[in-house]
Amino acid sequence: DADVTQTPRNRITKTGKRIMLECSQTKGHDRMYWYRQDPGLGLQLIYYSFDVKDINKGEISDGYSVSRQAQAKFSLSLESAIPNQTALYFCATSSGFGDIQYFGAGTRLSVL
Amino acid sequence: DAKTTQPNSMESNEEEPVHLPCNHSTISGTDYIHWYRQLPSQGPEYVIHGLTSNVNNRMASLAIAEDRKSSTLILHRATLRDAAVYYCILVYYGQNFVFGPGTRLSVLP
Repeated sequence: DADVTQTPRNRITKTGKRIMLECSQTKGHDRMYWYRQDPGLGLQLIYYSFDVKDINKGEISDGYSVSRQAQAKFSLSLESAIPNQTALYFCATSSGFGDIQYFGAGTRLSVL
Repeated sequence: DAKTTQPNSMESNEEEPVHLPCNHSTISGTDYIHWYRQLPSQGPEYVIHGLTSNVNNRMASLAIAEDRKSSTLILHRATLRDAAVYYCILVYYGQNFVFGPGTRLSVLP
């Protein structure tokens, strides 16, 4: 089983719909991250969490929200999806700042 | 944030060594140099990292210039499975990772 699991792997939704992407990890790490990747580009940080009570905005948090339900679970929500949020979304974990990050396989989201 | 510069793409023949360069002229003394790669349809995966000295692991070697303003990821014998986008990232405690567009490596049979 993967250390970092993302669900769903693929999702198609319509403009204005609320959607949640889920991430769970078995690494036992405190730190979790959500990234977005647009075609041909690197990853951009959306939100990150140091622990269950500590959530921080990344460089592109507008239009997104997150929830850290437990040490192992970190969800990303799009409250009202728009077409330019069509992208690949990756969850990652690490044991500490600057430490190796472990990524999930990604969720491909299309907003029509 | 400290920046890195990598070539957009490189090609290699299978079973030959590959040297992937990265320039980081604004690196500070406490920045670690990390390399990740992203295989097609997968999330990034850690390859190697170092601070000042050259590093080796089962996947690759990392050669760091004496002035630390550049580094080179070395794949000793490229395989078709090494075709991926390779990211060079400067990492400093307290800062988040900044991923650039990376280098797309193609491996020719």
